[in-house]
Amino acid sequence: AQSVAQPEDQVNVAEGNPLTVKCTYSVSGNPYLFWYVQYPNRGLQFLLKYITGDNLVKGSYGFEAEFNKSQTSFHLKKPSALVSDSALYFCAVRDLPSSGYSTLTFGKGTMLLVSP
Amino acid sequence: DSGVTQTPKHLITATGQRVTLRCSPRSGDLSVYWYQQSLDQGLQFLIQYYNGEERAKGNILERFSAQQFPDLHSELNLSSLELGDSALYFCASSLSPGQDSGNTIYFGEGSWLTVV
Repeated sequence: AQSVAQPEDQVNVAEGNPLTVKCTYSVSGNPYLFWYVQYPNRGLQFLLKYITGDNLVKGSYGFEAEFNKSQTSFHLKKPSALVSDSALYFCAVRDLPSSGYSTLTFGKGTMLLVSP
Repeated sequence: DSGVTQTPKHLITATGQRVTLRCSPRSGDLSVYWYQQSLDQGLQFLIQYYNGEERAKGNILERFSAQQFPDLHSELNLSSLELGDSALYFCASSLSPGQDSGNTIYFGEGSWLTVV
């Protein structure tokens, strides 16, 4: 089965500094990878995805992610963090059950705290 | 706003009771997914429907059931509720869950269920 791992429960960064939220994956076949963000008392919001093509994927709110096949990683990055970026971030991988209809399998999430 | 609508937003009920959560997918989306988010289990996939038919099943309890109606809205029925069923239940939708689909799955804001 496909899986993703988010090794950090929490990431702390000062406003204006670059941020990285880590994600590694384990898949059979080509990986389809996603990042979602959950703000307090809100639903999951889609940030970006990697399907194929350029290894650097740009998404919403200035976020980007770098796909690295050799390291099986898909780290989320932002050049300059904002306090408003503080939220729970989820990495996800497309999963293919035997039915052939894909779903998403999520990591456990990483809490990002950006201090003023 | 993802375009996925869930009701109710909050629900408090007693153990042993039954509740129904409702979801309206984004306009044009044929596939509906249900996920459960809890502190101890994280984000768990429950079940998926495509154009009215069940297509994938995850860690859904036998006490839980779902369906997708001809107008594509979906309902998740939770019965014989236990304290451990307290969680945030997400509905999500996508255009098509096809085998090689990298289609984005969009999430609603969730239904908070508290079982007392």
